[in-house]
Amino acid sequence: EAGVAQSPRYKIIEKRQSVAFWCNPISGHATLYWYQQILGQGPKLLIQFQNNGVVDDSQLPKDRFSAERLKGVDSTLKIQPAKLEDSAVYLCASSFSPGTGGFHDGYTFGSGTRLTVV
Amino acid sequence: AQSVTQLDSQVPVFEEAPVELRCNYSSSVSVYLFWYVQYPNQGLQLLLKYLSGSTLVKSINGFEAEFNKSQTSFHLRKPSVHISDTAEYFCAVSVYSGNTGKLIFGQGTTLQVKP
Repeated sequence: EAGVAQSPRYKIIEKRQSVAFWCNPISGHATLYWYQQILGQGPKLLIQFQNNGVVDDSQLPKDRFSAERLKGVDSTLKIQPAKLEDSAVYLCASSFSPGTGGFHDGYTFGSGTRLTVV
Repeated sequence: AQSVTQLDSQVPVFEEAPVELRCNYSSSVSVYLFWYVQYPNQGLQLLLKYLSGSTLVKSINGFEAEFNKSQTSFHLRKPSVHISDTAEYFCAVSVYSGNTGKLIFGQGTTLQVKP
């Protein structure tokens, strides 16, 4: 089966610019997650979608970060304006819905987008 | 609140030696435990998981982890490591309640296997 697709693979921008990341989850996975992984740290959940609805965005810096998942499939994560501390790898993951038998098969991660803000 | 603590940030070990990567979690609800591995410049890959049943779970490449509820631990072990095992290892807990669930990660442990 095809994995979770993310693009771009790398991005370098200047502070105060805007940037967007794209994610295409595994077909049939209703739940989609965006994680931020700062160098030397574990991934931190930014936002979780169930189909096209937001389930958890408690750790999303909403003054600059936004995300959407139109039609319950692809998702985009945007940062506007970017700050130096946003430099990180942004990981997208998908899974079957909690409450279904497939949920605990695990989460499948994409390769990530490495963002460098200079 | 749920959290995961990986007790060692770096573990250097010689090839063919045994290794243990330690992980402790805290949670007030039932949890499901995972180990993920991240090779350089690659994404996270599931290594093994504990959902229920036998407390000892094994991966296809020789790693194993044991769920210890009384000590709230899920340590990862391998009796003999290989150079190719050099990677970042993340312990994670899946917190599941009703129709919501999310994966919370530890800080990671870098396993450095030396020849």
